[in-house]
Amino acid sequence: AQSVTQLDSHVSVSEGTPVLLRCNYSSSYSPSLFWYVQHPNKGLQLLLKYTSAATLVKGINGFEAEFKKSETSFHLTKPSAHMSDAAEYFCVVSLSGGSYIPTFGRGTSLIVHP
Amino acid sequence: EAGVAQSPRYKIIEKRQSVAFWCNPISGHATLYWYQQILGQGPKLLIQFQNNGVVDDSQLPKDRFSAERLKGVDSTLKIQPAKLEDSAVYLCASSEFLAGGYTDTQYFGPGTRLTVL
Repeated sequence: AQSVTQLDSHVSVSEGTPVLLRCNYSSSYSPSLFWYVQHPNKGLQLLLKYTSAATLVKGINGFEAEFKKSETSFHLTKPSAHMSDAAEYFCVVSLSGGSYIPTFGRGTSLIVHP
Repeated sequence: EAGVAQSPRYKIIEKRQSVAFWCNPISGHATLYWYQQILGQGPKLLIQFQNNGVVDDSQLPKDRFSAERLKGVDSTLKIQPAKLEDSAVYLCASSEFLAGGYTDTQYFGPGTRLTVL
């Protein structure tokens, strides 16, 4: 079985400060891992994905995430938050080998203060 | 490239009524997903199709929900009869199928917001 835990339901930062959104996973197989973003009244959009290539993955809008197998983590970071980053962020894990069945985390709401 | 299309965008029904949602995936995408997203929660996978076959429907409440993808392209999700707790956004997504078991990015439609009164 696989699962994903987003450790914070809300993260609040000031504009220009670093962002850290935490995600831990469990999977019996080597996972594929994704971060998606959902802006208010907009559809889900891929930020970045890990599929067993480089452990440090760069995504859109300055976001990146590091796959740490020993810690079963895939935390999302950004050096400097922008007001437009305010949104809901979802970590997703899937099996590799055989069927891909995605499991979403509960989401982390990022709040950016001026 | 056209995105994932869903209709209707909004639907309000009384409990015990029936409702159907339609999804047209991105052209050439073999895998199609239906999700239920209740307010304040992450999307929950209801059913996953590979072409017109079902890969997983373990979280689909089969006593009231059904889905089909007859020609391996567009898909319909039906609820009959609806309950109050079915109020949610229903999301459709599609992706390319890659050899070796690795999955590609999911592309999501705008969703259908269902309110059951």
